[in-house]
Parts: sequence; C-alpha cells; structure tokens
Amino acid sequence: KNQVEQSPQSLIILEGKNCTLQCNYTVSPFSNLRWYKQDTGRGPVSLTIMTFSENTKSNGRYTATLDADTKQSSLHITASQLSDSASYICVVSARDSSYKLIFGSGTRLLVRP
Amino acid sequence: SAVISQKPSRDICQRGTSLTIQCQVDSQVTMMFWYRQQPGQSLTLIATANQGSEATYESGFVIDKFPISRPNLTFSTLTVSNMSPEDSSIYLCSVESRSSDTQYFGPGTRLTVL
Repeated sequence: KNQVEQSPQSLIILEGKNCTLQCNYTVSPFSNLRWYKQDTGRGPVSLTIMTFSENTKSNGRYTATLDADTKQSSLHITASQLSDSASYICVVSARDSSYKLIFGSGTRLLVRP
Repeated sequence: SAVISQKPSRDICQRGTSLTIQCQVDSQVTMMFWYRQQPGQSLTLIATANQGSEATYESGFVIDKFPISRPNLTFSTLTVSNMSPEDSSIYLCSVESRSSDTQYFGPGTRLTVL
C-alpha cells in the first residue's frame, strides 16, 4: 500500500534555531517527492520537488534531501523565523499516476521567540 | 505558477442545506482537483474535475453528495449537498502544472456545518 509517514508529528523550537523534519514513504513506482508548507487557514504552498535522480534541493532557508534507496526524505530549516510556524507536508507521487498524490499527515512546527 | 482563488473563503451552514464552492484559475489548465482537509488531518482527494465530462470520484466520494462542474479550463465548482456536521472541513481546489510538475493549491474554503 502506498503510504507516506512523517515525524515528528509536532515540534517546538526557538527562533534562530535549525530543525529537521523526516519523511518515509512506500510509494512505488516512485515519480517525485514534494514538500509543501501550509500556514493555518491557507492552502499548501510548494517548497521543493525532487525526482529520483536528485538527492538535495534548496529553496532559501529550506533544504530537502532524498534517499531513493532507503525511501527517506528530510526537510531542514535553517535559522528559523516566526513565520516558519506552519504545517509541513511531505507528498509523493507515483509514476503510473503522477497527478494522484499521496500525502503525509504533516509536521506542525511552532517557532517561539 | 498558477494563481487560484476560491469563493467563499469560509461559511457557516445549517444541517441539510447545500453549499457551492467556486474555484477560478488565472490560466487554462487541464487538470483540476478538489480536496478535503478535515480538522487536524492531511488532504484527501475528492475528485478530478474533467472539462466537458463528468468528474472522476475517489473511493468514498459520490456525485450525489459532491456534484462538480467544470464548464471550461479555468473554472470549476464543488457542491457539498445535504450537509451534516461531519462535512465541516476545509475544501481546496488545486491544479496540476505540467511545466513545473507540481500542484498549486487554492486558499481553501473553511466550512462549518451546525
């Protein structure tokens, strides 16, 4: 069964600190993996998208990694800001139906001053 | 990127009534989708809105409950029919961009059913 699992479920960090969110998946055949940021009351916004051949991609202070062998991804946030407080969702698409996305349950991040 | 707007942004409705949610995209897109996000949960795909034909529903969702229209390549509506408190959710419209190989999401419609 295609699944995406994220950890931790929630995380509280102090402003300026770094953090890493984890994503494990069992989607086959794999097409790509996306990280989305969802602010409260808003729709998800794409941060990164990685295909099988990519093992790292950055978007400002956000850096995503992908290990296609172990089927793991991480999202690293550097020098966190209060505006980083949001849910971060790992999403995987399967090659046979790339528009049908498998969503993780998300990690809820709270950045405190 | 695609810019997506939804109307209404939120609504509070009575049990047994229906609500139609509109989704407008600023460019022509082939694939449009409707999702539901229940409180504290991740997104669940309701259906794919097909232009000029009936929507394709996912398991657990039926046309009588969630009728969808897609009259052209920039607009779609989702109706939540005969609502009950269990329908209280955020409903999101999204589009697939082949050029960037990602999905863009609308801001969502927060529905509360009393």
